[in-house]
Amino acid sequence: DGGITQSPKYLFRKEGQNVTLSCEQNLNHDAMYWYRQDPGQGLRLIYYSQIVNDFQKGDIAEGYSVSREKKESFPLTVTSAQKNPTAFYLCASGRLVGPGGEQFFGPGTRLTVL
Amino acid sequence: QQQVKQSPQSLIVQKGGISIINCAYENTAFDYFPWYQQFPGKGPALLIAIRPDVSEKKEGRFTISFNKSAKQFSLHIMDSQPGDSATYFCAASGDDYKLSFGAGTTVTVRA
Repeated sequence: DGGITQSPKYLFRKEGQNVTLSCEQNLNHDAMYWYRQDPGQGLRLIYYSQIVNDFQKGDIAEGYSVSREKKESFPLTVTSAQKNPTAFYLCASGRLVGPGGEQFFGPGTRLTVL
Repeated sequence: QQQVKQSPQSLIVQKGGISIINCAYENTAFDYFPWYQQFPGKGPALLIAIRPDVSEKKEGRFTISFNKSAKQFSLHIMDSQPGDSATYFCAASGDDYKLSFGAGTTVTVRA
C-alpha cells in the first residue's frame, strides 16, 4: 500500500511539553512538507525538506523543529516555545519534477494542548 | 500576506446545481494551480490541477477555468451531489515547489 502515514491521529499535550508527530511516506518522493491548519484558514507551511539532511523554514516555523535523516521520514517536534499549538497538522510529500509539482497529504494529526 | 485569495468563504447549492469557487493570485512566477478537496477530519486530496498554458481543464463533473491575464482561476462543480459537500482549497506554486493555499470554501449541497 503506497501512501503517507501520520501518527498518532490524536495527541494531547500538557503546557510546557515537547511532542513529536510522525510522518512516513513510501512513495519515493524527494520532498516532504509540514502544514498547520486552523479553523477557517488555509494550510500554512511550517517546514519543508527537498533532500535528506536538509530542510527549510516555511511561513510559521517558530516553536517547531524537524529532522530529515531518511528519505521516507520527516518528524515534526512541537516545542514548548510554540504559544498556541492546538491545531490540525498535515504532512505532505511530492516529487520535484516538472513545473510546480503535485503534493499528496497524509490523514493528519490533531494536537490539543490541555 | 496571503498570496492566493479565495472566495466565497462558503456556499450552499441545491442538488444538481453548479458550484463556483474563485481564486486570484499576484505572483506571476506561479505555474501550477491545483485544487484540493477536504472532508472533516481528513487530509486534503488532490482533485484537479492546471498549468497556465491551457485555459480550461475538465475531469468528470469538475472543471478548472484559468485566466492568465487576469491572474484568476476558478473551479466549477457541475451537477453537484450531496457527496460533494466538503471544503475546497485552491493553491498555487512555482519552481520552488512550495504551495500557497487559499483560505478554503465550504460547499454544502442540499438534497
